[in-house]
Amino acid sequence: QVQLQESGPGLVKPSETLSLTCTVSGDSISRSTYYWNWIRQPPGKGLEWIGYINYSGSANHNPSLKSRVTASVDTSKNQFSLSLTSVTAADTAVYFCARCRNGGCDYWGQGTLVTVSS
Amino acid sequence: DIQMTQSPSSLSASVGDRVTITCRASHYISNYLNWYQQKPGKAPKLLITAASGLESGVPSRFSGSGSGTDFTLTVSGLQPEDFGTFYCQQSYSLPWTFGQGTKVDSK
Repeated sequence: QVQLQESGPGLVKPSETLSLTCTVSGDSISRSTYYWNWIRQPPGKGLEWIGYINYSGSANHNPSLKSRVTASVDTSKNQFSLSLTSVTAADTAVYFCARCRNGGCDYWGQGTLVTVSS
Repeated sequence: DIQMTQSPSSLSASVGDRVTITCRASHYISNYLNWYQQKPGKAPKLLITAASGLESGVPSRFSGSGSGTDFTLTVSGLQPEDFGTFYCQQSYSLPWTFGQGTKVDSK
């Protein structure tokens, strides 16, 4: 059974960097079929795709986040990570990691709430 | 970016009802359209891929149709566990984008 689990601070100060890690079990990140994604959901709102990375480190991110996003992958730990710089209150959201292919995202983490506040 | 517009934004229905949700893309997306169901406090669950492909384990009362820019999700015989918010998502071009959601609650 594939499982994903997000980890990281639940509170980040404005202008600082949000860092999250997703640990994957039951599948290998090194499988080339999938993209490993971050998706977020502000409280009471809809879903926003942040970006993805694949096993080789090839990444894409949502241009709406400009150049604030960095994704990385550690195949030895079967983990991938998200870094979002210069956060503001608008970045407060539940952050999900998910396994996706062109046919959609079939496995998701439970989500972690990150609040940006001083 | 491709904008995804769902209608209605919300609807009330009863168990046994047939429910239809539409999703319109601002540009052509072929059949690169996926549907999800989300319940409060939970991650979205993938229901349908490639506009009409039922994901493994999803009940056959869920069906999808459409191609190009106009798509439909139908629930034939709503069950108590089907209430929640439904989202469409296009995976035709980056950035992947979602519809704003359709909340289905009990009448």
